[in-house]
Amino acid sequence: GAVVSQHPSWVICKSGTSVKIECRSLDFQATTMFWYRQFPKQSLMLMATSNEGSKATYEQGVEKDKFLINHASLTLSTLTVTSAHPEDSSFYICSAPKQTGGADTQYFGPGTRLTVL
Amino acid sequence: GDSVTQMEGPVTLSEEAFLTINCTYTATGYPSLFWYVQYPGEGLQLLLKATKADDKGSNKGFEATYRKETTSFHLEKGSVQVSDSAVYFCALSDIFGNEKLTFGTGTRLTIIP
Repeated sequence: GAVVSQHPSWVICKSGTSVKIECRSLDFQATTMFWYRQFPKQSLMLMATSNEGSKATYEQGVEKDKFLINHASLTLSTLTVTSAHPEDSSFYICSAPKQTGGADTQYFGPGTRLTVL
Repeated sequence: GDSVTQMEGPVTLSEEAFLTINCTYTATGYPSLFWYVQYPGEGLQLLLKATKADDKGSNKGFEATYRKETTSFHLEKGSVQVSDSAVYFCALSDIFGNEKLTFGTGTRLTIIP
């Protein structure tokens, strides 16, 4: 099946620094990718839709200047958490649909655990 | 807005036991419903789905039936195995069939030999 990777799998950083998380579709191209955030014992919450060649679409309540998304190519989307603070500590997951349309074609990365000290 | 309420875990069962993980939803119209599974160290994988009322999704011995009257999509398996140990997520997509998913909180299942 299709594979989506994330890098790094975990990261620890100091408050005030920026952290970049990569999401790659390894064997297919994706014009759209999705970024989710998961708090302990809570649902995955959709943060934004990453669009290749255009600006990302952010969900209500998500700060676009805080969470910068760049869809650099058809196989790579990056999420940069700028000026990270302890409340940004979370588990970040990306997904990519292998076909356009249809939620059942989405493939998920293994997630990145961010800890901000 | 749309929401999914899922049975809280963790759930621990003995091998060959019967499994039920409850899931109910709130949504406008008739969404598509999904169960995803996440094995340790891996990304979420689609386990099964149902797109309309009374549909039954099934895969790997797991089943779930789309119940409109009770707005439920409970996951069941008649005889679980140690290899079924994972986190299970119930999810829905809206009636427009776009790619955005609304997830439940996930249920961690551990099967002991």
